[in-house]
Amino acid sequence: AQSVTQLGSHVSVSEGALVLLRCNYSSSVPPYLFWYVQYPNQGLQLLLKYTSAATLVKGINGFEAEFKKSETSFHLTKPSAHMSDAAEYFCAVSGPSGANSKLTFGKGITLSVRP
Amino acid sequence: KAGVTQTPRYLIKTRGQQVTLSCSPISGHRSVSWYQQTPGQGLQFLFEYFSETQRNKGNFPGRFSGRQFSNSRSEMNVSTLELGDSALYLCASSLAWGGEQFFGPGTRLTVL
Repeated sequence: AQSVTQLGSHVSVSEGALVLLRCNYSSSVPPYLFWYVQYPNQGLQLLLKYTSAATLVKGINGFEAEFKKSETSFHLTKPSAHMSDAAEYFCAVSGPSGANSKLTFGKGITLSVRP
Repeated sequence: KAGVTQTPRYLIKTRGQQVTLSCSPISGHRSVSWYQQTPGQGLQFLFEYFSETQRNKGNFPGRFSGRQFSNSRSEMNVSTLELGDSALYLCASSLAWGGEQFFGPGTRLTVL
């Protein structure tokens, strides 16, 4: 079984400040981990993914995440927030093979960026 | 290359009716997954199809069903609609079973 915990439902930062969105996972098989972003009235866009290669993963729009097995974490960071980063962010976990490829999502975190 | 397309984008139905949603995957993609998104339950996996066969299924009642055609297009059907079925239904496609999933814009279903 797999699960994802995203603590808090809302994070607010100032433009130019560090963005840190937390994600902890539980998985009975080696996990694949993902961060998705969702803008209003749109589908999900993949920001980055971890699939058992490098533990520090760089994604689009300046985001990156680090897989820490000892902490079962996959936190998302961005050094400097931009107004366009305001959106909802979802962490997700899946297994490495087809049989457990379904994505299990966290509840999501809404990121607000103050001017 | 065109992305995942879902039709219709918006739908209003009444309780007891049934509804069919359609998803066209990215060209060449053979796997299609469906997810339900609600404010209360978040994003939940419905089912996944690959080569016209259901490969994975989530914990939804039998009123929710789906199918995939030989051209990889997929449909999902919900019968005897309930108010709680109001949600954004997202379709995602991948090249193969278990591959990276690309999401469509969703179909927003409102049940009155």
